[in-house]
Amino acid sequence: DVKVTQSSRYLVKRTGEKVFLECVQDMDHENMFWYRQDPGLGLRLIYFSYDVKMKEKGDIPEGYSVSREKKERFSLILESASTNQTSMYLCASSGQGNEQYFGPGTRLTVT
Amino acid sequence: GEDVEQSLFLSVREGDSSVINCTYTDSSSTYLYWYKQEPGAGLQLLTYIFSNMDMKQDQRLTVLLNKKDKHLSLRIADTQTGDSAIYFCAVDRWGSGNTGKLIFGQGTTLQVKP
Repeated sequence: DVKVTQSSRYLVKRTGEKVFLECVQDMDHENMFWYRQDPGLGLRLIYFSYDVKMKEKGDIPEGYSVSREKKERFSLILESASTNQTSMYLCASSGQGNEQYFGPGTRLTVT
Repeated sequence: GEDVEQSLFLSVREGDSSVINCTYTDSSSTYLYWYKQEPGAGLQLLTYIFSNMDMKQDQRLTVLLNKKDKHLSLRIADTQTGDSAIYFCAVDRWGSGNTGKLIFGQGTTLQVKP
């Protein structure tokens, strides 16, 4: 079974803090994704990576950066957290096909 | 730009059929997907349909695709309380090749009343 794990289920941070969200997949997938999920807006793509050290901006990259130093690990970084970044963050990976496998999500609250 | 639209909420009684609808704008989408998200969990692929198909059936699930109207639907027969979840429609992005990039709808919350 494909497994995608995220470092935290719940996280509370203060405005201005630097926040790291980690995602690890165990299926040797080339593609990895970070989404945020907000009620009524569905999933919005923040960043996408198709290989180690390769990344592409998604639809809402502002305020975020990413790092992919190893194939199995994709990190999302909030350089200076703001309250409007309070959300559910979902990581996903995919291989040769288009099916995406999702982690359980991290609910981030910025106060 | 590319867009996927779903209604936000559907309520049915246990044992009834549920029909969740989705419309999309990108006619070049090759695969169209239905994902399910149970409370507190990530998304899980429920089923998918290839764009050259009109219908796909998988046990209690029936997917209908109307390419002319760019309309996708998911029918759940004999809906159970365990089917209560958020259902997302997703289509592959134009030009995404093998990257797996998808566009997701807003999600439809299905409430099943006993």
